[in-house]
Amino acid sequence: QSALTQPASVSGSPGQSITISCTGTSSDVGGYNYVSWYQQHPGKAPKLMIYDVSNRPSGVSNRFSGSKSGNTASLTISGLQAEDEADYYCSSYTSSSTSRVFGGGTKLTVL
Amino acid sequence: EVQLVESGGGLVQPGRSLRLSCAASGFTFDDYAMHWVRQAPGKGLEWVSGISWNSGSIGYADSVKGRFTISRDNAKNSLYLQMNSLRAEDTALYYCAKSVGGGYVDWGQGTLVTVSS
Repeated sequence: QSALTQPASVSGSPGQSITISCTGTSSDVGGYNYVSWYQQHPGKAPKLMIYDVSNRPSGVSNRFSGSKSGNTASLTISGLQAEDEADYYCSSYTSSSTSRVFGGGTKLTVL
Repeated sequence: EVQLVESGGGLVQPGRSLRLSCAASGFTFDDYAMHWVRQAPGKGLEWVSGISWNSGSIGYADSVKGRFTISRDNAKNSLYLQMNSLRAEDTALYYCAKSVGGGYVDWGQGTLVTVSS
């Protein structure tokens, strides 16, 4: 199965907002409201930032928000901070023979 | 506090087998679906396999189907991954993760599997 498509890298200055896209198909992102986003710092386990498209787990800053339009989901980080610099991955439920798929990951650089 | 502790990784020759375990604590294990996710060195996350709370629903990535078997023992609060016919491309850090809805809310620290002769 193909991974979801994310930009390899994005960057922004402190205080700015950035958006990371995650493009799939009608069999995954577009067909279900089960898109999630993960933050991973080097050498650390991933951390859930957004689940079910736009829900934030307890403890996650409200600077992080998620949305979806058609087959593309998006993660927006507002008020960018140095500690936001990390790799970000999207994931979706899929109706294919497998039940989950990840995006290839996006490296966020805070300038 | 939720804890997921993976074990069983190591260096193994191509074609051989390995069994990973994930010991869970701090939550009611049999209330949740569980998954294995792996990450090859310097690469992204790859979903490997998932199992529902009662083992009634199981799924595998195409890359491991027919070679890997996921299972769980709710009495022992444990998740397993039996990996057979291992290949070099299976080399990765293997995470177990607790699933809530469409997201993996808790992750272990991973166990490293290296497939090499």
